[in-house]
Order: sequence, then C-alpha cells, then structure tokens
Amino acid sequence: SAVISQKPSRDICQRGTSLTIQCQVDSQVTMMFWYRQQPGQSLTLIATANQGSEATYESGFVIDKFPISRPNLTFSTLTVSNMSPEDSSIYLCSALTGYYGYTFGSGTRLTVV
Amino acid sequence: QQQVKQSPQSLIVQKGGISIINCAYENTAFDYFPWYQQFPGKGPALLIAIRPDVSEKKEGRFTISFNKSAKQFSLHIMDSQPGDSATYFCAAIRKAAGNKLTFGGGTRVLVKP
Repeated sequence: SAVISQKPSRDICQRGTSLTIQCQVDSQVTMMFWYRQQPGQSLTLIATANQGSEATYESGFVIDKFPISRPNLTFSTLTVSNMSPEDSSIYLCSALTGYYGYTFGSGTRLTVV
Repeated sequence: QQQVKQSPQSLIVQKGGISIINCAYENTAFDYFPWYQQFPGKGPALLIAIRPDVSEKKEGRFTISFNKSAKQFSLHIMDSQPGDSATYFCAAIRKAAGNKLTFGGGTRVLVKP
C-alpha cells in the first residue's frame, strides 16, 4: 500500500505568520485531500486537491486562508495563512490510493501562540 | 448536518471481551462504508470496509454488520486486546460526490488487561 510522508510533524508558530505543510506520496495518485482534526475529535475535510486543477474547498474554508498547491501526482502542500490561536489543530493529508482506499499521513500538529 | 452519527463516544472493555461500535447514516447515496483505526500521533488507517449490498464482512477479529434498511452499520471487535486500544472512526464514501470521506465522530476504545 502507498506511504504518505508529511512534514513538519509538529510546529509552534507565532500568530500572524504562515506555515506550509508538505505531503509526499510514494506513488502517483489522482486525488489528494487535506483534513483538520482537533485533538480527540473527528476529521473535517478542508479541501480536495487534484493535479492540474484548482483545489475544491469545503464550506467554511477559503483559499486565501488555506492555499493549496498540487504541482504533480505525488506531492501537495497546504499553507495555513495569517495564523491565529484558533488554527491550532492537527492537519492531515490523505490520498485516494485504491478504488475505495484512502491512505493518510501522520499529521502535522500545529500550535499557534 | 452530521451525515454519519457514531456511538458511543468512548468504550472500556476487558481483555477478551467484545467491543461494539455503532454508526447510522442519512444519505442513501453512500456507496462504501469503511472503518478506520487511529493511534495517538498517527493518521487513520483503514481497518475494514463493506459495500451496502453485503450484510456482513469479517476479517480476523473484526466484523462489520450492515443493515441497509435501517441505515445502520456496526463494528464488532472480538477477543479485544490491549493493542486494540485506539480511536475508531466509521465513514462513508460517495463516489459521485468526489470520493469524499464523511467521518463519524469517533469512538475511543480502551481495552483493559
């Protein structure tokens, strides 16, 4: 099965700054997804990132706050912009690696101070 | 609107016992129902999944029971082991909606030795 490497694994950032999270898949995938997970809670989809097209954002998430790049079939980045303490969370990337199979990265634990 | 409702939120079971987690969904257009297991500091990992035209699927100690008419499905963990202590998420996929995973709220399972 595919392996997803996500980095950084954790970071502490100052409010007002931006952080870019990288997600690398060890095989080519068409669809990648970015999620947010508050500790102890479920996952909320931020956006779907398909190579060659603009990311599609879920309700409550906007491109200016969470710009996403998908330059090729194995890589994607999520930027959390102009951060506030409310952005403190775990951010996970995922890829559709089978007909119905999804593989997840280990997540980035972000703390905004 | 929460499309997949999961219960209980937490569960404590003795080693060797049975863990049962229940989920209910609203959208009959879902066409695949996976369960994910998540350990602290890790991303969710696919555990077992079922199509709606199948009433039961078993893989080792893990069994999914599916009741299409009631729009409910459940995960049974037989002979629960301390290593099964994790958070379990049910989910639903709708291919026609961009392959997005809709997660339940999660169940934290603790297996006591």
